[in-house]
Amino acid sequence: EDQVTQSPEALRLQEGESSSLNCSYTVSGLRGLFWYRQDPGKGPEFLFTLYSAGEEKEKERLKATLTKKESFLHITAPKPEDSATYLCAVLPLESNYQLIWGAGTKLIIKP
Amino acid sequence: EAEVAQSPRYKITEKSQAVAFWCDPISGHATLYWYRQILGQGPELLVQFQDESVVDDSQLPKDRFSAERLKGVDSTLKIQPAELGDSAMYLCASSKSGYSGNTIYFGEGSWLTVV
Repeated sequence: EDQVTQSPEALRLQEGESSSLNCSYTVSGLRGLFWYRQDPGKGPEFLFTLYSAGEEKEKERLKATLTKKESFLHITAPKPEDSATYLCAVLPLESNYQLIWGAGTKLIIKP
Repeated sequence: EAEVAQSPRYKITEKSQAVAFWCDPISGHATLYWYRQILGQGPELLVQFQDESVVDDSQLPKDRFSAERLKGVDSTLKIQPAELGDSAMYLCASSKSGYSGNTIYFGEGSWLTVV
């Protein structure tokens, strides 16, 4: 069964303390992997799309990487405004459109 | 920057009443999605439209939920009658096409509380 698992469920960091969020997936083939940021009470905001193992993308303090079994969202020197839930979603190769979502990692950055 | 518009942002309704949500996708986006999200979980796809046609509504509780996109632009999601378990955030999203991993952009969501 296709599955996406995100860890940890929640992560508390001090401002400036770098860390990584994990998204592991089990699908027969990957068409694409998506990272979103979601603030409380709002819709998910698109961050990155990764298509193949070895691919990396960066945006400000965030860098997403992809291997054949998992993706990492690295956050460098985070600020309190980076606090949010980060969602990962996978589009399997055999699916044209049905994303499989993880439950998200709630990131809290303390000043 | 173009956005997906949704209304209302918040809705409180009594059990057994009808409720409707409206969505206007990003201009030019052929694919429109309605998702439901419960706190602490990822979004769950309810229905997907390609232009005015339903592509997938396998997770839509059709005894009480309906969705339409008559002219292939904006869309309405209706619940009748509402049940306590329907309390959730309803998200509308759109993409250029539902295929080939095109990025899906979400609206702000509509919070529904059924009392």
